[in-house]
Amino acid sequence: GAGVSQSPRYKVAKRGQDVALRCDPISGHVSLFWYQQALGQGPEFLTYFQNEAQLDKSGLPSDRFFAERPEGSVSTLKIQRTQQEDSAVYLCASSLARSSGYTFGSGTRLTVV
Amino acid sequence: DQQVKQNSPSLSVQEGRISILNCDYTNSMFDYFLWYKKYPAEGPTFLISISSIKDKNEDGRFTVFLNKSAKHLSLHIVPSQPGDSAVYFCAASASIGGSGGGADGLTFGKGTHLIIQP
Repeated sequence: GAGVSQSPRYKVAKRGQDVALRCDPISGHVSLFWYQQALGQGPEFLTYFQNEAQLDKSGLPSDRFFAERPEGSVSTLKIQRTQQEDSAVYLCASSLARSSGYTFGSGTRLTVV
Repeated sequence: DQQVKQNSPSLSVQEGRISILNCDYTNSMFDYFLWYKKYPAEGPTFLISISSIKDKNEDGRFTVFLNKSAKHLSLHIVPSQPGDSAVYFCAASASIGGSGGGADGLTFGKGTHLIIQP
């Protein structure tokens, strides 16, 4: 597609529920990132893939967060046993090269009630 | 400990005048800087970037200045237009030696909400 596509756009989860957020990057983009943006804050790095390899997951806040990109294109961010503090916008970005910048999707707004 | 700081949460500028958004950073390993623009309910949109080997980069109405010794960068928008009203994020990254192709993770500031008044 022309841009980075994320689904769902909005997700309301009950505390303790598992959620899965999907990211379709731009075709051919090798690098894929997940960011978490809390209200009034800038995006914060969660994890980075180069093709199917997860090269950096240092930003994942706990072992309840898991990301995968099995075929080097679509990626899924899974959050198990959601907590209220997980409420945020989750942004996915992909990139071909550093100098070309990152293209972000519109994000998934997760609200845990 | 914030490595990228945007100390002005908001800025109001009259249409046609110059908008100057500021950003400070603390990590001396940062060598690539970007500005993003964000409208409500949309993802950030890449605006302009600068490498640490330069001190200025210009693209149309947008110019980014980098002062490495002060660890400070700024984005100038001139002339400001109503469509420029948005939240602007400063972001920085550090090269990972030998990483080859592919991009590196970004550290973002908290953003500055720019309001262009008619």
